[in-house]
Amino acid sequence: EIVLTQSPGTLSLSPGERAALSCRASQTVRKNFLAWYQQKPGQTPRLLIHGISTRATDIPDRFSGSGSGTDFTLTINRLEPEDVAVYYCHHYGDAASWTFGPGTKVEIK
Amino acid sequence: QVQLVESGGGVVQPGESLRLSCAASGFAFSTYAMHWVRQAPGKGLEWVAAISFNGYNAYYADSVKGRFSISKDNFKNTLYLDMISLRPEDTAVYYCARLGYCSGGGCFYYGMDVWGQGTTVTVSS
Repeated sequence: EIVLTQSPGTLSLSPGERAALSCRASQTVRKNFLAWYQQKPGQTPRLLIHGISTRATDIPDRFSGSGSGTDFTLTINRLEPEDVAVYYCHHYGDAASWTFGPGTKVEIK
Repeated sequence: QVQLVESGGGVVQPGESLRLSCAASGFAFSTYAMHWVRQAPGKGLEWVAAISFNGYNAYYADSVKGRFSISKDNFKNTLYLDMISLRPEDTAVYYCARLGYCSGGGCFYYGMDVWGQGTTVTVSS
């Protein structure tokens, strides 16, 4: 089973700044099966990125995913107040192994 | 529109059972693998169980193996989670989500792109 570790636990930035959220896997992620989700307070999780770097439908291009192997990054450019949320990375795929990272909380100063 | 609607949550005592349902609409349910994900109060997301598009293969997190059973009725477009021997640590919001569809050309995985609104299970004496 792949274990995902996310850092930092909490990120506090000002509007307009860039947020870089890290996700590290305990093993190499196969077939690019790495996704990111956004969960705003009181809401259901929403898929942002799948396949490491492909934005889901209707996700603004301020959100981008990158990485390979065991190290992945979600970047949020030009941070907006509406981006306040917890962000989870997720390993998925076809090998009966699905895990979520513990999440990174993004706050606005 | 594409939608998942969970139901069946409630308050139960430790050791009791519960069945959750997830009604799907707006997409070809029979071609999608489906998952249950839960979130304990104030905690992160925890994958619980998955079932293949045709219902033939089921997978479980170690924390629920032997107590939870996932099933899929492709005629009723409904996903189920049967839970027995419930414990206080099973208290959570339970979400159903779709991940991966299979067609003649193979199976394709794009993350959990559709989620239900969640149903709350509370296990307490």
